[in-house]
Amino acid sequence: AQSVTQLGSHVSVSEGALVLLRCNYSSSVPPYLFWYVQYPNQGLQLLLKYTSAATLVKGINGFEAEFKKSETSFHLTKPSAHMSDAAEYFCAVTHSGGYQKVTFGTGTKLQVIP
Amino acid sequence: DTAVSQTPKYLVTQMGNDKSIKCEQNLGHDTMYWYKQDSKKFLKIMFSYNNKELIINETVPNRFSPKSPDKAHLNLHINSLELGDSAVYFCASSQGQGSQETQYFGPGTRLLVL
Repeated sequence: AQSVTQLGSHVSVSEGALVLLRCNYSSSVPPYLFWYVQYPNQGLQLLLKYTSAATLVKGINGFEAEFKKSETSFHLTKPSAHMSDAAEYFCAVTHSGGYQKVTFGTGTKLQVIP
Repeated sequence: DTAVSQTPKYLVTQMGNDKSIKCEQNLGHDTMYWYKQDSKKFLKIMFSYNNKELIINETVPNRFSPKSPDKAHLNLHINSLELGDSAVYFCASSQGQGSQETQYFGPGTRLLVL
């Protein structure tokens, strides 16, 4: 079984401040981990993914995430928030060797304050 | 040149009716999915098809029936609609069925059952 937990359903940051969105995973086998972003009234879009190569993964729009096996975490960060980053962010997990049956977290809504 | 498209975008209907949602992808992908996103933004997979063959069939009422006439299309038919079916339904596709594949989402169909 696999699952992800996103801590904080709502996160507010000031424009220019560090963005940190937390994700912890649970998986009985080595996981693949994803961060997707959903802008209002749109579908999800991939930000980045970890598939057992480099543990520090860089994605689009200046986001990155680090896979930490010891902490079972895959937190998403961005050094400086922009107004356009306001959206819902979903962490997701699947595992190698299986079909693409992705388990999504419950999402974190990011608010960027001017 | 939309990658994954869904029709209709909005669907308002009465309880007991039968409705269909259509999905098309022009990415040349082999695998397509249907997800349901509830009012709390929780996203759960319903079905997945690979080259027109059903590979994932989650615990979904049998009032929901997917149909894949070809690998570029995956439609969702819902019989005897209930209030609890109100949600946003997302179609997605990926190149293959491997668990590391990126999924590409459509814009969603917002279904409201009255």
